[in-house]
Amino acid sequence: QSVLTQPPSVSAAPGQRVTISCSGSSSNIGSDYVSWYQQLPGTAPKLLIFDNNKRPSGIPDRFSGSKSGTSATLGITGLQSGDEADYYCGTWDSSLSAGVFGGGTKLTVL
Amino acid sequence: QVLLVESGGGVVQPGRSLRLSCAASGFTFNNYAFHWVRQAPGKGLEWVAIIWYDGSEKYYRDSVKGRFTISRDNSKNTVYLQMNSLRAEDTAVYYCARDKASFGGDSLDIWGQGTMVTVSS
Repeated sequence: QSVLTQPPSVSAAPGQRVTISCSGSSSNIGSDYVSWYQQLPGTAPKLLIFDNNKRPSGIPDRFSGSKSGTSATLGITGLQSGDEADYYCGTWDSSLSAGVFGGGTKLTVL
Repeated sequence: QVLLVESGGGVVQPGRSLRLSCAASGFTFNNYAFHWVRQAPGKGLEWVAIIWYDGSEKYYRDSVKGRFTISRDNSKNTVYLQMNSLRAEDTAVYYCARDKASFGGDSLDIWGQGTMVTVSS
């Protein structure tokens, strides 16, 4: 059971918009920045969003992040087949003194 | 080019030890904290350990405390994970990842390709 809760799967058609939620608590999301990672099949994870809503260089603005209280959301617009991947939220938990990830969400582009 | 390359994975019997290495290049190594993150076959990411930029602080997930030790050699630009008393549930791909900050707790912006550890008799 992961400390951060994500839906196991989401799906949408090409060109559409999808959101992925990440729920935590006051000791993690509620008190620290949230990051999002994309893991394409058979590859290492890649940083997609940091500090709740910032994109690293090279990440298109189709990807966005937000945070409110103890929850965070990843948004992807203009879905493409190449976006099919597993997406993970992550942050630091001050009570555990440990990094924590969500269980991951598999995105299917129909 | 910024790069992390893990090595040292393999097949090991339960109760035995293994040491993973993560060689960094393309950036100033001793400015950053580093993590180990693992992923069991078909499962999600699981954070394992972190070491601060100077090695002064280390933190571990509960299930590996007392068995795993993270360390770094800033003269060799390398991070290590010493894994003792290995169990079947430690079977996973182990990733080394750079933290954006010196003291950790920030995002993991650079990841290695991973090294597979299989614990089996």
